[in-house]
Amino acid sequence: GAGVSQTPSNKVTEKGKYVELRCDPISGHTALYWYRQSLGQGPEFLIYFQGTGAADDSGLPNDRFFAVRPEGSVSTLKIQRTERGDSAVYLCASSLSGLGETQYFGPGTRLLVL
Amino acid sequence: QKEVEQDPGPLSVPEGAIVSLNCTYSNSAFQYFMWYRQYSRKGPELLMYTYSSGNKEDGRFTAQVDKSSKYISLFIRDSQPSDSATYLCANSQGAQKLVFGQGTRLTINP
Repeated sequence: GAGVSQTPSNKVTEKGKYVELRCDPISGHTALYWYRQSLGQGPEFLIYFQGTGAADDSGLPNDRFFAVRPEGSVSTLKIQRTERGDSAVYLCASSLSGLGETQYFGPGTRLLVL
Repeated sequence: QKEVEQDPGPLSVPEGAIVSLNCTYSNSAFQYFMWYRQYSRKGPELLMYTYSSGNKEDGRFTAQVDKSSKYISLFIRDSQPSDSATYLCANSQGAQKLVFGQGTRLTINP
């Protein structure tokens, strides 16, 4: 079956612009996660959704970052007033129920802020 | 101090060698321990998952967890060029929020 998909695969934007990154989880997975991976580093947790609600958003770095999952499936990560330091790979993962099962990762969106 | 420490390498070994990858962690509340493999420009994929001290074996891979010393290891036997990737250890308290190490870049030379 299809895995986690993310669009776009690459995004180049200018400092100060707004961007949206999309994640399509594996069908039937209720738990969805966003991570950010800077060059040469491991992924860092941003936010975890259980269904439509954000169960843990403790990793969002500031109020420029926001994520939604209105129907409990697709999720969008939104970044306002982008800064050069936001440049990274944004990874999405999903798991069946969020109760300790495997998290399956997508290929990521590579964001470059000029 | 980071919650999970991992030597970034790079590590280069000949084909067929036994590879040892290691992480230390500081949070005693961690209960779940994972190793992910990440190929270039791909997302991480789960290799091994354990929630107890001791060894867990899967084919050429063995994961070892020592909670008393907060030390986790991954051993790869009969290493192959296709094992060349970045290996990430990940720990979790509640199995939702994963805390990753920096990753070790491994190259297996034919």
